[in-house]
Amino acid sequence: DAGVTQSPTHLIKTRGQHVTLRCSPISGHKSVSWYQQVLGQGPQFIFQYYEKEERGRGNFPDRFSARQFPNYSSELNVNALLLGDSALYLCASSLAGGGSEKLFFGSGTQLSVL
Amino acid sequence: GQNIDQPTEMTATEGAIVQINCTYQTSGFNGLFWYQQHAGEAPTFLSYNVLDGLEEKGRFSSFLSRSKGYSYLLLKELQMKDSASYLCAVRGAAGNKLTFGGGTRVLVKP
Repeated sequence: DAGVTQSPTHLIKTRGQHVTLRCSPISGHKSVSWYQQVLGQGPQFIFQYYEKEERGRGNFPDRFSARQFPNYSSELNVNALLLGDSALYLCASSLAGGGSEKLFFGSGTQLSVL
Repeated sequence: GQNIDQPTEMTATEGAIVQINCTYQTSGFNGLFWYQQHAGEAPTFLSYNVLDGLEEKGRFSSFLSRSKGYSYLLLKELQMKDSASYLCAVRGAAGNKLTFGGGTRVLVKP
């Protein structure tokens, strides 16, 4: 079975541009979460979606948005990129998004903003 | 708010034991997770504790004390492949959000 897949794996953008990152969860998983991981730090929660509805939002500006599609895949959009947005963006999926469920992470998209 | 602390880096010798401590202060508690992350790779699940006590899984064990806001991950019979970052994460009272510590980079030397 395929794990969580993310695309692209690497991306280089310039300040002010926007970016769309994509994630496909494990088959049967209905919850997708996005995390930002700056080099040398732990992942920071950005969004959680379950059944196409936003279930949680972290402390990120409105330049960050996301959505989940009927097939449970998800997109993370970041507008007006800043240098500080350079990070590894991780997508994680779980069955229903709560309790003792563990999160399964994808390998991430490495975003560099120049 | 949530605050999770763990040491930045630890070094140990192949075959030895290393204990990675994690202390947390969170608004609500619904479980503590440990993940392993090799450089450039996805975090992979190691353990989950929601009740006090020790959970053993092969060479890895995890302990939780909710009253002390404290957990540790014990790695026994260290192997070179155990060189990685180890992330402590807490699930709060609601939802699926995990709050991560900064990670502990473990270096295993021959």
